[in-house]
Formats: sequence, structure tokens, C-alpha cells
Amino acid sequence: DAGVIQSPRHEVTEMGQEVTLRCKPISGHNSLFWYRQTMMRGLELLIYFNNNVPIDDSGMPEDRFSAKMPNASFSTLKIQPSEPRDSAVYFCASSLKRLTSRAYNSPLHFGNGTRLTVT
Amino acid sequence: AQTVTQSQPEMSVQEAETVTLSCTYDTSESNYYLFWYKQPPSRQMILVIRQEAYKQQNATENRFSVNFQKAAKSFSLKISDSQLGDTAMYFCALTGTASKLTFGTGTRLQVTL
Repeated sequence: DAGVIQSPRHEVTEMGQEVTLRCKPISGHNSLFWYRQTMMRGLELLIYFNNNVPIDDSGMPEDRFSAKMPNASFSTLKIQPSEPRDSAVYFCASSLKRLTSRAYNSPLHFGNGTRLTVT
Repeated sequence: AQTVTQSQPEMSVQEAETVTLSCTYDTSESNYYLFWYKQPPSRQMILVIRQEAYKQQNATENRFSVNFQKAAKSFSLKISDSQLGDTAMYFCALTGTASKLTFGTGTRLQVTL
């Protein structure tokens, strides 16, 4: 298994430009998460999907941020327009969620992250 | 709401010694899971160990073990026989039935010669 694949690994862009981050979850996983990591705020959950449906986007900072999951094997996080304060490492993670008598969640498996720098 | 607190921003341990990282949490759920993740300088997030709240037995993974005190809502990580490769940020995390993982602020561990 290749694990969670994120691209690009690094992105440098100018303020005002559109940025698209991409994620391919582990095959068979049905939950996908986007996290942002900064020194000041640590790891913050932005949004997560279950079976391709957004479940909780309360962590998305502003309308400039949007995320989609058109199918089980692909998700994007878009920032338009980007601002310097969006500079951070963005992680995608996936897991398998099964509903049983005792809810089961496999651990989150993380991608290697995208380091975004907005100048 | 879920919260995870790591009160030790930085710790240091000598190679081959044992170190314990602290974590406390709060949740209103009865079914939940606790994890320790390691983030080396490469920034990859690596799962170290996990604990199901309904299990009383403390989880162990080779040199890593936890002390899970459910009543006290405490979940500490013990690293035995520390190695230089254990140098990293360590994050305690909690998830419930909602799937989303809540992280603590992390403890930076430095293993020295």
C-alpha cells in the first residue's frame, strides 16, 4: 500500500493566487481529513469527509477555503485567494470507519503534507 | 467538545534511558480512542501506539507503552531504552465516534548521547 499521497510537497505562491492541494487516500478507507499545522495553532482539523460527504467543515477558516471529494480516491483543498497567513503545512489523512455495536475507527494515516508558503 | 492537554513542551532524555510523556484529555463520550503520534523532522506523522478506552489493559508496542488512567483521564507514553531516532515531536490525540482526531500541542523530545 502506498499510503496517503499528497501533492505537491511544497508550494510557493504569491498573495492573491489560487492554490490547490491534492490528496489520494489509502484504498478502502472511507474517511478523509484535512489538517493544518502551524507553530502558533498546532494541528487544526479543517474538514473531514465520510464516504465522500463532508461531515464537519467547522474548522475551515474562511470562505476562501473550500474542499471537495468527488470520489473515494481523490480530494482537493483549495484556497482562493491565498494570503500570507495561510502559510502552513497542510496534511491529509484517511481512516476506515466501521459502525458496529462499539464504533470502530482505524487510526488516521497521514500523508507527508504540503508545505505552503504564500508571499 | 474534546480537549487534549500536553503540559510538557520539551523534554530531554539520554540514550538508553526511559522517559515518560504526559497527556490529559477530556471528552463526554464513553467510546473513544487515544493515540500517540510521532513527528520527526521529516514532518511525517507516524502512529506510535493506540488505546481503546474500553480496554483496561495498557497498550504496548515494543519499547513504547502507555499508562492509561481512565478515571483520571490521563494517557502517558513511556519510551524505554531511548534511541537517537526517537528524537521528534510527540502528539497525544483523541477520537470518538465522530471520527475526527483532536491533538494536543505536542512535546518535543530530544534524545542525547
